[in-house]
Amino acid sequence: KAGVTQTPRYLIKTRGQQVTLSCSPISGHRSVSWYQQTPGQGLQFLFEYFSETQRNKGNFPGRFSGRQFSNSRSEMNVSTLELGDSALYLCASSPDSLYEQYFGPGTRLTVT
Amino acid sequence: AQKITQTQPGMFVQEKEAVTLDCTYDTSDPSYGLFWYKQPSSGEMIFLIYQGSYDQQNATEGRYSLNFQKARKSANLVISASQLGDSAMYFCAMREGDGSARQLTFGSGTQLTVLP
Repeated sequence: KAGVTQTPRYLIKTRGQQVTLSCSPISGHRSVSWYQQTPGQGLQFLFEYFSETQRNKGNFPGRFSGRQFSNSRSEMNVSTLELGDSALYLCASSPDSLYEQYFGPGTRLTVT
Repeated sequence: AQKITQTQPGMFVQEKEAVTLDCTYDTSDPSYGLFWYKQPSSGEMIFLIYQGSYDQQNATEGRYSLNFQKARKSANLVISASQLGDSAMYFCAMREGDGSARQLTFGSGTQLTVLP
């Protein structure tokens, strides 16, 4: 089975712009979670989608949003980018009934 | 309060020796799961091992074992026969509740370096 894929792998944006990141989960997985990883804050949960519905949300401002499509692929969007949004964004997928999450390689976003 | 605490920012181990990475957790939920992930310099998080709060035995996966001490709220990862490829960042994580919400809370990580 193919693993979790994330596109793009690297991205450079300017302050004030917006960005959309994409995640394709493992085939058959319906849960997709997003995490932000920074040297200062570590790994922080952004949100989780299950069957196209946001089921759980972390403590991030409304500039961070996401959605999930009927094929379980997910996108996250960050509007009005700030320098502090520079991070590795990781997507993870999970089946209905198992516990572990499987992560993709991440998208490294740099905001200048 | 920190939910997951990893007190070792960095660890060194000689190749072929065993190493223990510490993890303590804090939760009042009787149902929870504990995970260990490995993150090489490439960035991808690799799932290593899982322990459920109701599991009676310590989890093992190949060279990885989890030393689960529920009363002490610790879930240490033991890597036996270390290999150079084990050099990476290791994260302990917890999921609270019955699993319907799949949010993981991560510790700050331990950077493991295996010496030849």
